[in-house]
Amino acid sequence: AQSVTQLGSHVSVSEGALVLLRCNYSSSVPPYLFWYVQYPNQGLQLLLKYTSAATLVKGINGFEAEFKKSETSFHLTKPSAHMSDAAEYFCAVSSNFGNEKLTFGTGTRLTIIP
Amino acid sequence: DAMVIQNPRYQVTQFGKPVTLSCSQTLNHNVMYWYQQKSSQAPKLLFHYYDKDFNNEADTPDNFQSRRPNTSFCFLDIRSPGLGDAAMYLCATSRGLTSGRSDTQYFGPGTRLTVL
Repeated sequence: AQSVTQLGSHVSVSEGALVLLRCNYSSSVPPYLFWYVQYPNQGLQLLLKYTSAATLVKGINGFEAEFKKSETSFHLTKPSAHMSDAAEYFCAVSSNFGNEKLTFGTGTRLTIIP
Repeated sequence: DAMVIQNPRYQVTQFGKPVTLSCSQTLNHNVMYWYQQKSSQAPKLLFHYYDKDFNNEADTPDNFQSRRPNTSFCFLDIRSPGLGDAAMYLCATSRGLTSGRSDTQYFGPGTRLTVL
């Protein structure tokens, strides 16, 4: 069985500050890991994904995430927050066995303080 | 642009009145998924189609049905909506890649269902 835990259901950062959203995973097989962003009344948009190539993954909108097997983590970061980053962020895991379900975390709502 | 389209974006129905939500895709993906997302919660998978093969999640209520008449379209039918079925319904697609290759899901904008 696979699962993800997102620490902090709400995170607030000042505009221009570092964004750090935490995700820890549990998987008995090598995982694929994803970060999705959801703006109000919208679907989920893929930010980035880890598929066992480079451990540091760069995504859209200046976001990146680092896969750390020893810590079972896949935290999302952005060096400088922008007002447009305010949204809900979901971490998700699937296995590398192909055509597997995504298991989502409970989400982190990011608020940007002007 | 290739995409996942959901219609309508907002749907209002009455308690017990059947409703159908629509999803179409121009990605030519093999797999189509339906998720239910309630307020401030993660998306919950209801079922998915791999081509014509239907896969129901064990805890999906019988009130929810789905049809996939062709590769491009998939429908979610709620036979007798209850107040608890008010939610955002998300459609997603993926290529359906085999073992050892990552299979990314692409989501539509969602349909927000209100039950009066």
